[in-house]
Amino acid sequence: SQKIEQNSEALNIQEGKTATLTCNYTNYSPAYLQWYRQDPGRGPVFLLLIRENEKEKRKERLKVTFDTTLKQSLFHITASQPADSATYLCALLGRGNTGKLIFGQGTTLQVKP
Amino acid sequence: DTAVSQTPKYLVTQMGNDKSIKCEQNLGHDTMYWYKQDSKKFLKIMFSYNNKELIINETVPNRFSPKSPDKAHLNLHINSLELGDSAVYFCASSHPRTGGSYNEQFFGPGTRLTVL
Repeated sequence: SQKIEQNSEALNIQEGKTATLTCNYTNYSPAYLQWYRQDPGRGPVFLLLIRENEKEKRKERLKVTFDTTLKQSLFHITASQPADSATYLCALLGRGNTGKLIFGQGTTLQVKP
Repeated sequence: DTAVSQTPKYLVTQMGNDKSIKCEQNLGHDTMYWYKQDSKKFLKIMFSYNNKELIINETVPNRFSPKSPDKAHLNLHINSLELGDSAVYFCASSHPRTGGSYNEQFFGPGTRLTVL
């Protein structure tokens, strides 16, 4: 069955450093991969989308890579700030128009000042 | 101003009761979803409607019944509530872009359901 794995352990880093979060998947060939941010007590918020034929996508301090051979996506936050502390979810989207997203369990990032 | 809204935010009820959660979006999207987030934070899709038509129906007990009176609303009715139904339920909406189903989804604030 389809499986998405994100590091369940919290990631603690110092302000100003680059945070790197990993998303691995098996038994799936997604057409798109999305990253969302979720703060406690709130719904997820869309951050970035990358297509299967794209290697890298950037948006301000965020960078996402997508390696369909390794079945892995890396999510980077450069010059991290305490306000970046949150849980980050990766989600896979297949072909077709159903919009069915399969989410990982998320990785909690804590940026310390 | 709110894009996707849900009511109520908190719902505490006894086992065996029937309850409903309401969702509304003012984004003009065609597609709406219900997700369940369990205590381990896994977010799992339950249902999806496109223009009032059911398009995703995951393996969910038939005690759960979604209803879409129009494309801006998707309500979730739950019969005979069980302890295992305790979770946070999120509504979301999206509008497929032309040329592919990008499906950036906009989530509501969630409804925390506690079944005692």
